[in-house]
Amino acid sequence: DAMVIQNPRYQVTQFGKPVTLSCSQTLNHNVMYWYQQKSSQAPKLLFHYYDKDFNNEADTPDNFQSRRPNTSFCFLDIRSPGLGDAAMYLCATSRESGGVQYFGPGTRLTVT
Amino acid sequence: TQLLEQSPQFLSIQEGENLTVYCNSSSVFSSLQWYRQEPGEGPVLLVTVVTGGEVKKLKRLTFQFGDARKDSSLHITAAQPGDTGLYLCAGEIPDSWGKLQFGAGTQVVVTP
Repeated sequence: DAMVIQNPRYQVTQFGKPVTLSCSQTLNHNVMYWYQQKSSQAPKLLFHYYDKDFNNEADTPDNFQSRRPNTSFCFLDIRSPGLGDAAMYLCATSRESGGVQYFGPGTRLTVT
Repeated sequence: TQLLEQSPQFLSIQEGENLTVYCNSSSVFSSLQWYRQEPGEGPVLLVTVVTGGEVKKLKRLTFQFGDARKDSSLHITAAQPGDTGLYLCAGEIPDSWGKLQFGAGTQVVVTP
């Protein structure tokens, strides 16, 4: 089935140790998004790609980076995770900007 | 920033009862989407409403978009345990690239 896949589902990293989360899609959608969702809070958009064009939200910390090497894959890199970065990270895709967004199952990040 | 406030934050009801969840803003949205999110999973789209005053039904779920496109409601008739989950509304910000503003969600628990 066409879908949005996130790996790993659970990730534990140490304070300050770089970590990479991955997302892949078989929908062939143009747009890929990364959201951060903390407990009892709304998902917060970090950045999105339209094809290869990267769009960073103004309030996304520099600690967060992203790569999209091809249409199917998108990565979230956290260069020096802090305790406050512990959250669920959601990847989503849409065919076009403003289109319906399809979410992956998320990666739960724990920082020790 | 266009804020979306959801109420109540938490709702616990017995199977067979009805419930309504509200999503309110002082700002206009181009469209509004409702998602359901289960623990450890990503949000799953339930419906998109676009026109002011629009009503959509999905089995026992009824969604309404306010006439002014600033608010929305989700009504569940005869709730079942399978309706348990976090219900998120998300409004498309006008004149943006299609950016969504999420509410913080309403946690619904339906007990048998």
